[in-house]
Amino acid sequence: NAGVTQTPKFQVLKTGQSMTLQCAQDMNHEYMSWYRQDPGMGLRLIHYSVGAGITDQGEVPNGYNVSRSTTEDFPLRLLSAAPSQTSVYFCASSYEDWRGGYNEQFFGPGTRLTVL
Amino acid sequence: GQNIDQPTEMTATEGAIVQINCTYQTSGFNGLFWYQQHAGEAPTFLSYNVLDGLEEKGRFSSFLSRSKGYSYLLLKELQMKDSASYLCAVRVEENRDDKIIFGKGTRLHILP
Repeated sequence: NAGVTQTPKFQVLKTGQSMTLQCAQDMNHEYMSWYRQDPGMGLRLIHYSVGAGITDQGEVPNGYNVSRSTTEDFPLRLLSAAPSQTSVYFCASSYEDWRGGYNEQFFGPGTRLTVL
Repeated sequence: GQNIDQPTEMTATEGAIVQINCTYQTSGFNGLFWYQQHAGEAPTFLSYNVLDGLEEKGRFSSFLSRSKGYSYLLLKELQMKDSASYLCAVRVEENRDDKIIFGKGTRLHILP
């Protein structure tokens, strides 16, 4: 199992450019999520999904779009990049346990994005 | 709103014991996680508490009191490799879906 993979590892964008951060998992997990991590701010939830065709907003969704057409993939789109979106982005996935809730999250290695 | 508080930084000595506290004020609470994150790396799972009480896993233990909105992570026999950030995260139910939100993390420094 590759686990959770993210591409690219590093990216530099100019203000106003758009791009897609890719995330894939091969563990058949239903739950997937995107976080951004900034110094002193911890991990902040951008968007999450509880299954194919279902997405929902997290704490800081503005400026980002997601879709979940398959169980495996959960891409994050930056519509018009801004310097405030300079951050490290983590994708994570989780499975539903016997209690009916989502257990530990497995994180990808992260994408380090700089917007100039 | 949802609020999770933990100390920003702590320092402890190799071989000692340290307790990292986390308090939360959330609606729809469904469980609490602790993650470890070394600098430049992704977080990795340490523990998960749903019911009140203590969960022990080797040198690490985690405690939860749902009525007090309080948890702690206890690290025993500290090693230099335990120098990392420790993230408290809460699972909350919203609109019949669960989402997982994190506190800002506690950076732990281990001194020889």
